[in-house]
Amino acid sequence: SQQGEEDPQALSIQEGENATMNCSYKTSINNLQWYRQNSGRGLVHLILIRSNEREKHSGRLRVTLDTSKKSSSLLITASRAADTASYFCATVTGANSKLTFGKGITLSVRP
Amino acid sequence: DTGVSQNPRHKITKRGQNVTFRCDPISEHNRLYWYRQTLGQGPEFLTYFQNEAQLEKSRLLSDRFSAERPKGSFSTLEIQRTEQGDSAMYLCASSTLRFRTGQVLTYEQYFGPGTRLTVT
Repeated sequence: SQQGEEDPQALSIQEGENATMNCSYKTSINNLQWYRQNSGRGLVHLILIRSNEREKHSGRLRVTLDTSKKSSSLLITASRAADTASYFCATVTGANSKLTFGKGITLSVRP
Repeated sequence: DTGVSQNPRHKITKRGQNVTFRCDPISEHNRLYWYRQTLGQGPEFLTYFQNEAQLEKSRLLSDRFSAERPKGSFSTLEIQRTEQGDSAMYLCASSTLRFRTGQVLTYEQYFGPGTRLTVT
């Protein structure tokens, strides 16, 4: 079963614009992670935010977490054509640390 | 290359045949996970190991599936009597689990490139 629901399902923007992707989940979590997947590099970890954190930054990435609303957002600033990929949020709910993924968001960045 | 590796990268097999995939995790990682991903979906958890112990199996893992991690290093995933519904990308990931007083710290998972299985 998939816990995360990303929104929108697909996003197309111009290079240089910002991209915002949202994720909602259903149960309490230990942490939430964002991954990127493209055919060239497989599934790559982007950023992890723990349940007691509200915001984290990594380079051009900013992720927020609102545990009261059970939602997270990923902001990619100054997008590049190389950011074109599928993006997944994944939650960890127990000590087993298995990831429960959403269906993903397809991001297209036009040069 | 010190990342997670998987072999083979592609496997085409006929229905009813057995297949085995291998995953070599990052050497110092004590946890190893298997996921399955079908087209247009996110990966779905199959099973995981902590060192050599298999600690959890998803209900997706029917009795035709078996996974091992002898000696807590590489892992194999075998599918017996394959069915067309088994066609998918099989992903392996590894991570580290650490303990700190009063806390269990889990870290990001590093994924291999996957094995794409096609059952004809």
